[in-house]
Amino acid sequence: QVLLVESGGGVVQPGRSLRLSCAASGFTFRSFAMNWVRQAPGKGLEWVTLISHDGGGKYYADSVKGRFTISRDYSKNTVSLEMNSLRPEDTAVYYCVKMGGNSGHDLLNWGQGTLVTV
Amino acid sequence: QSALTQPASVSGSPGQSITISCTGASSDIVNYNWVSWYQQHPGKAPKLIIYDVTNRPSGVSDRFSGSKSGDTASLTISGLQTEDEADYYCLSHTYTSTYVFGTGTTVTVL
Repeated sequence: QVLLVESGGGVVQPGRSLRLSCAASGFTFRSFAMNWVRQAPGKGLEWVTLISHDGGGKYYADSVKGRFTISRDYSKNTVSLEMNSLRPEDTAVYYCVKMGGNSGHDLLNWGQGTLVTV
Repeated sequence: QSALTQPASVSGSPGQSITISCTGASSDIVNYNWVSWYQQHPGKAPKLIIYDVTNRPSGVSDRFSGSKSGDTASLTISGLQTEDEADYYCLSHTYTSTYVFGTGTTVTVL
């Protein structure tokens, strides 16, 4: 079955950087786009970024554009999120999410999340 | 991209039907049939319950149904059950190839 395991969360000071990783298994990694979605404490969901199945397309929410970078490693089946110039408002649980296999526009499989506190 | 608009809360009695609206704009819901819905119980990761406006993933109860008209997508839960008490979010693809969530709706079963 699909398994997504995030790591790298923690406490960081404003202005510093942090790198999150997501280890993916149970599916053909190179066939699916991957996302990061976050949820601030007690707040709603916010879509953050997507990387296409082939890594050629990367899209970002305006709130993180220019500060966050998504990447993927096909040899390790991992997706990473490099977060720079962190702000208190970036404090959230960050979920790694795999797109569905139908139209490819639905967030089908979710990790358990990793907490980032700025 | 502003969040899609959902009612903050909706409630109903067991067995009743409720509908949650999700209002967007021409930059998202109006021009794309890529609207999905997610259920989130406290402390848990969200779960996909509707994709592409009307489709249910395998294993999701047929008590959940989706629709869209103009700038508004809707999620209907029929035969409301206590386990349906959760937060619900819509999501839409946008014209910039990004995605935007709704503000979220808390469903309470009376």
